Amino acid sequence: ETGVTQSPTHLIKTRGQQVTLRCSSQSGHNTVSWYQQALGQGPQFIFQYYREEENGRGNFPPRFSGLQFPNYSSELNVNALELDDSALYLCASSLSQGAGNSPLHFGNGTRLTVT
Amino acid sequence: QKEVEQNSGPLSVPEGAIASLNCTYSDRGSQSFFWYRQYSGKSPELIMFIYSNGDKEDGRFTAQLNKASQYVSLLIRDSQPSDSATYLCALTYSGGGADGLTFGKGTHLIIQP
Repeated sequence: ETGVTQSPTHLIKTRGQQVTLRCSSQSGHNTVSWYQQALGQGPQFIFQYYREEENGRGNFPPRFSGLQFPNYSSELNVNALELDDSALYLCASSLSQGAGNSPLHFGNGTRLTVT
Repeated sequence: QKEVEQNSGPLSVPEGAIASLNCTYSDRGSQSFFWYRQYSGKSPELIMFIYSNGDKEDGRFTAQLNKASQYVSLLIRDSQPSDSATYLCALTYSGGGADGLTFGKGTHLIIQP
């Protein structure tokens, strides 16, 4: 059974650019969620996808968007990058929509640096 | 607004002793509680989850939940240097919802050999 995999592991972008991060969910998991973890902080919920539709969102602006594909893999897109977007981006997959019913298991994350 | 509070530490504990990590939360509607361990530069790793009041034990780890007092704790028995990490407390408001996990900032634990 493969776990959650994310790519790339590290990324450096310039302010104003756009970035796409990718995530393959754990086998059998139909729900994917994304989190942003700034240095010294806990992860913050960005959004969740279930059956290819966004069904939950945290306090993040519309320039953070995503996709989920039929194989349950997912992308996180961030437009108009800002310096404060520098963070570790974590993807997690689960068996059901509610994190309370199915504990989340995170991928290794993508470290994004915006200069 | 859901808030999760943790003492950032560092919390220093001698090897072999019991490490006690605490977490308080503001939303009485919170239903599911999780402890994650995060090594520096790595992603969070699930240690335990607890839904009901009382204690839940798994090996050297015990999670304790008191919904009336709105706190959840994690005890680590026979602490090892490999337990040195940041421990994140997290919760969800509703077991069936899609509102994600709300995390605290974490407690940095150091186990002294």
